[in-house]
Amino acid sequence: AQSVTQPDIHITVSEGASLELRCNYSYGATPYLFWYVQSPGQGLQLLLKYFSGDTLVQGIKGFEAEFKRSQSSFNLRKPSVHWSDAAEYFCAGPNFGNEKLTFGTGTRLTIIP
Amino acid sequence: EAQVTQNPRYLITVTGKKLTVTCSQNMNHEYMSWYRQDPGLGLRQIYYSMNVEVTDKGDVPEGYKVSRKEKRNFPLILESPSPNQTSLYFCASRSSGTKSSYEQYFGPGTRLTVT
Repeated sequence: AQSVTQPDIHITVSEGASLELRCNYSYGATPYLFWYVQSPGQGLQLLLKYFSGDTLVQGIKGFEAEFKRSQSSFNLRKPSVHWSDAAEYFCAGPNFGNEKLTFGTGTRLTIIP
Repeated sequence: EAQVTQNPRYLITVTGKKLTVTCSQNMNHEYMSWYRQDPGLGLRQIYYSMNVEVTDKGDVPEGYKVSRKEKRNFPLILESPSPNQTSLYFCASRSSGTKSSYEQYFGPGTRLTVT
């Protein structure tokens, strides 16, 4: 079955430090993968997406993600976090045929001064 | 502005009192879905619709109904809400056809509390 796993429930990072959020996938074929962000009290906003081609994908707000087939990973990175990046981050991939996005359980990011 | 709207944004109700959460999109999307979000569980699909009059169950359909009489609207109906349906609900839509259409657009969410 297709699945997406986020191993880290909660991560704390100092403002200005680099960030990497992990996502592992289980798909038979080349997956389509997404990262969404949910700020407190807000809906989900798409940060970036991967369909094929270049394995390093650039997104909004200075985020990027790298697709690594050998590691079944699609980790989200940012070189220098800002206090406004505090949010919950979800990795997701589609289940073809039932229009479902399979979400990871999310990683809550806390930024400390 | 392209968007998915949901109403109400917040709702507190009592067990057994029927309610409807509306969802509307202005992007002419064929596909629409409802998700619920619960702590530690991520988002789980409740129902989805591939077009007008075509709906199907997702992972957690029990206690919910949907209808798709118009392309733009996809209401979620709780005929007899129970406390275990207290959750944050999201409506989403996407277009059909190209690979990039697998990106789903989400509404702002409806926080439902059933007492």
